[in-house]
Amino acid sequence: DAGVTQSPTHLIKTRGQQVTLRCSPISGHKSVSWYQQVLGQGPQFIFQYYEKEERGRGNFPDRFSARQFPNYSSELNVNALLLGDSALYLCASSLDHAPGNEQFFGPGTRLTVL
Amino acid sequence: DAKTTQPNSMESNEEEPVHLPCNHSTISGTDYIHWYRQLPSQGPEYVIHGLTSNVNNRMASLAIAEDRKSSTLILHRATLRDAAVYYCILRSTNRGSTLGRLYFGRGTQLTVWP
Repeated sequence: DAGVTQSPTHLIKTRGQQVTLRCSPISGHKSVSWYQQVLGQGPQFIFQYYEKEERGRGNFPDRFSARQFPNYSSELNVNALLLGDSALYLCASSLDHAPGNEQFFGPGTRLTVL
Repeated sequence: DAKTTQPNSMESNEEEPVHLPCNHSTISGTDYIHWYRQLPSQGPEYVIHGLTSNVNNRMASLAIAEDRKSSTLILHRATLRDAAVYYCILRSTNRGSTLGRLYFGRGTQLTVWP
């Protein structure tokens, strides 16, 4: 079975631009979460979606938005990019949002903002 | 959300057991204890989780203190492939929290020597 897939693998943008990152969860998983990982730190929670509804949001500005589609895939959008948005963006999927469930992470999208 | 404390780094020789400690003195009665690890250039990977009793799986064992204020991840025979950052995470079952959310700290960087 395919794991969590993310696209693109790498991305270079300039300040002020907008970016869309994509994630396909494991088949049968209905929950998708997004995390930002800055170099040298652990991943920080951005959003969680379950059954196409937002179920949680981390401490990120409104420039960050996301959505989940009927097939449970998800997109993360970041507007008005700042240099500090340079990071590895990770997507994780799980069967549902129960706290005992394992989350499966994708390889991430490396975003560089120049 | 309850906080965890881990050593910044640990070292081990190949084929020796490794005990990775985690303190979580403010854990609540319904918090699950999860461990994830992140290999270089990869997304985090689930290792094990537990609530009150010790747990074993093919990857590791989790020993939970009787008062649940600390836990230890045990790798029975370290291999070079086990070199990674190990994260100890508490997941709340409180419906006021975002149930699927993982709170990553800085984790413990494990170095395995051949």
